[in-house]
Amino acid sequence: ETGVTQTPRHLVMGMTNKKSLKCEQHLGHNAMYWYKQSAKKPLELMFVYSLEERVENNSVPSRFSPECPNSSHLFLHLHTLQPEDSALYLCASSLRTGGDSPLHFGNGTRLTVT
Amino acid sequence: KQEVTQIPAALSVPEGENLVLNCSFTDSAIYNLQWFRQDPGKGLTSLLLIQSSQREQTSGRLNASLDKSSGRSTLYIAASQPGDSATYLCAVKGGTASKLTFGTGTRLQVTL
Repeated sequence: ETGVTQTPRHLVMGMTNKKSLKCEQHLGHNAMYWYKQSAKKPLELMFVYSLEERVENNSVPSRFSPECPNSSHLFLHLHTLQPEDSALYLCASSLRTGGDSPLHFGNGTRLTVT
Repeated sequence: KQEVTQIPAALSVPEGENLVLNCSFTDSAIYNLQWFRQDPGKGLTSLLLIQSSQREQTSGRLNASLDKSSGRSTLYIAASQPGDSATYLCAVKGGTASKLTFGTGTRLQVTL
């Protein structure tokens, strides 16, 4: 158990669908993150939330919409995605955003856009 | 802009061998450097974190070194085991409030 749970583990969606990825952490952390991991590319940070406030948005297209209703839950809402959005989407949490707080990752959602 | 490179991209060694994984970064003004392990289909697990003022960190059979001036770090794995097979990622943090910049990883396979 990683302490960070992501659902679903796998998702296949068409370009016109709307779906959501869910992340939950039970570590008492105040910061949560979405990362995208594509084949042969470094992990890309998408969004950072600290105490439910978005503190970073790394030029992510608007077809990705994050939501953080409380410090334990993080969602990534998806709509009208492109095939190049197929990737492993990883959620992570940390005690806080700065300093040496280690990141704790979930096992990811493998997304395939057809 | 910080760039992190890991060479080789893939490595296969027989069980019992000692091995070294390499990580290089372009901007030596870093806050810390971390090594992660990723098993297939899973998330990342933090292995070692080295502060910019430190030269190395050890955990069990793992030893990570940092040479900030040359922009290099190595992860040394002693007496490798098949259970060490995974992808190893290096990531650097530019400042206390900065995000992590990741390399693309080295995929390690330890064979029987």
